[in-house]
Amino acid sequence: DAKTTQPPSMDCAEGRAANLPCNHSTISGNEYVYWYRQIHSQGPQYIIHGLKNNETNEMASLIITEDRKSSTLILPHATLRDTAVYYCIVRLSSGGGADGLTFGKGTHLIIQP
Amino acid sequence: DAGVTQSPTHLIKTRGQQVTLRCSPKSGHDTVSWYQQALGQGPQFIFQYYEEEERQRGNFPDRFSGHQFPNYSSELNVNALLLGDSALYLCASSWGTGRNTEAFFGQGTRLTVV
Repeated sequence: DAKTTQPPSMDCAEGRAANLPCNHSTISGNEYVYWYRQIHSQGPQYIIHGLKNNETNEMASLIITEDRKSSTLILPHATLRDTAVYYCIVRLSSGGGADGLTFGKGTHLIIQP
Repeated sequence: DAGVTQSPTHLIKTRGQQVTLRCSPKSGHDTVSWYQQALGQGPQFIFQYYEEEERQRGNFPDRFSGHQFPNYSSELNVNALLLGDSALYLCASSWGTGRNTEAFFGQGTRLTVV
């Protein structure tokens, strides 16, 4: 699976949009981009994933560049409860075969009141 | 709908002992993966079970073993515990083994080896 690069930490004001970048310049054509977050002392929580097109769900939006070498996770109206470590992961897409998620160190997002 | 449940939540063991951690997957899920998370690090993949067999394994020694039962629940066993095995152990469940499925994590078991 391709490696990802994320800033170690970011701050964002409460109520503003939080934009978390991820670089995955070696991503291959059939690899998906996944985002998870981990709030202190809890297990990781799935947020969103995508292949080529931008994706949106009730939690966040995922913007993937046209060349797919980078992506941005957007939390539209950040709250204090969004303070967490955010992990960007790329995973190979295939019809079968077991796999595990490869977590890096992620971005520690701190929402300021 | 219960999510992924793990037991116990906390555990203290002595170096050299053996430990068994348990995981019940989310309803409808048939695949269980185990991760180790040391303090300040991201989770590291240990192995995954599907259809009661180990399907893939991360870079962990044979001291780490597991089992999956017919009801899809799973156990993680660690033998000859080392101080370095102290970590949060996370269980994740998903449906099938395809890479597009999202994994749901439990709250973890905090293992302390003294």
